[in-house]
Amino acid sequence: VLLTQSPLSLPVTLGQPASISCRSSQGLVYGDGDTYLNWFQQRPGQSPRRLIYKVSNRDSGVPDRFSGSGSGTDFTLKISRVEAEDVGVYYCMQNTRIQNPRWPPYTFGQGTKLEIK
Amino acid sequence: EVQLVESGGGLVKPGGSLRLSCAASGFTFSNGWMNWVRQAPGKGLEWVGRIKSKADGETIDYAAPVKGRFTISRDDSKHMVYLQMNSLKIEDTAVYYCGVGAELDYWGQGTLVIVSS
Repeated sequence: VLLTQSPLSLPVTLGQPASISCRSSQGLVYGDGDTYLNWFQQRPGQSPRRLIYKVSNRDSGVPDRFSGSGSGTDFTLKISRVEAEDVGVYYCMQNTRIQNPRWPPYTFGQGTKLEIK
Repeated sequence: EVQLVESGGGLVKPGGSLRLSCAASGFTFSNGWMNWVRQAPGKGLEWVGRIKSKADGETIDYAAPVKGRFTISRDDSKHMVYLQMNSLKIEDTAVYYCGVGAELDYWGQGTLVIVSS
């Protein structure tokens, strides 16, 4: 199962919106009906922090300018108005939730580097 | 507040061994699924392995590149999870993060492992 993010580099003007795409090589809907697609932010020099879980649920403390959407194989992270503190690399991650020795339960996208223009 | 503190990183020669530790607090450790994720210098995130809770069978899964060389264990009485790394290769050089939760809810600050002769 592969996750492909685009773009890999995203220069954005402060106050402008930003959008990152994450496409899966196969559908991520699990047997319970949920889709386990998460988004993480890694600021320079810091460890990753989860922003969004199960496609569209914001984690506690995450500003509401961040939103997640999508279904099936196509997912999007949007920032409504980029702020300086949003600089960093953003990763999507899928949890297959399937116990299968042939593939890992977790796969990350390649990462999208957001910078200020 | 959830805290995860990794330790044990350092410089090791190819073929050598190292044991990483992760001290956890701020949540019911015995219920937590504990993960290790690594990040090679300048690269993206790579899931390494996971140990489920005792209630979920303490199942352990590994990524293909480390299977047979790395071993994850946990000590619920000490709120600790470990990553024993044997037969280390140059390509194992990375920051190793400990993360808790089926959806990698929280991460530690990481510990750097350098495999070099």
